[in-house]
Amino acid sequence: AQSVTQPDIHITVSEGASLELRCNYSYGATPYLFWYVQSPGQGLQLLLKYFSGDTLVQGIKGFEAEFKRSQSSFNLRKPSVHWSDAAEYFCAVAPNSFSGGYNKLIFGAGTRLAVHP
Amino acid sequence: GAGVSQSPRYKVAKRGQDVALRCDPISGHVSLFWYQQALGQGPEFLTYFQNEAQLDKSGLPSDRFFAERPEGSVSTLKIQRTQQEDSAVYLCASSLTVAVKSNQPQHFGDGTRLSIL
Repeated sequence: AQSVTQPDIHITVSEGASLELRCNYSYGATPYLFWYVQSPGQGLQLLLKYFSGDTLVQGIKGFEAEFKRSQSSFNLRKPSVHWSDAAEYFCAVAPNSFSGGYNKLIFGAGTRLAVHP
Repeated sequence: GAGVSQSPRYKVAKRGQDVALRCDPISGHVSLFWYQQALGQGPEFLTYFQNEAQLDKSGLPSDRFFAERPEGSVSTLKIQRTQQEDSAVYLCASSLTVAVKSNQPQHFGDGTRLSIL
């Protein structure tokens, strides 16, 4: 069965520092990969997605992620964190269905990011 | 508004009561998803609609959970004889198209926080 692992439950960084959030997936083929952000009491906002092609994907708010097939990873990065980035981050996969399948997302448990001033 | 709207935002019910949660997707969106997010966890897929057709209900945890989308727009998630383990945030998402590999992401509502006493 497909699964997503986010090894870090909580991460704290200083404002202006770099950030990397880890994500590993388990799936027989290359799935579609996503990162979402959730602020308290809010729904999820898509940061970026990977379907195929260039393994380095640029997203909104200065985030990027790199797909590494050999490591089954899709880590999220940001070179300089802002206080407003404090939130919960979810990695998600969708089965790569060739039947025109819909976008059923499987989420990791999330990483809560705190930013120190 | 232009986003996915869910109501109520908060719902408190006594164990054994029935509840109904409403989702107004973005106008014209074909796909509609329901997810359940337990405290401290990532969202888990419940069910999927393509227009009015419920194509996947594999994530519904029991036959107490029922969802409908009779006119292919508004959807209702109903939980009968609620139990304490049903306490969670219920998220609705919609997307314009069906196919996974598109530039149309899933747009999430802010969720309904359900508490069963």
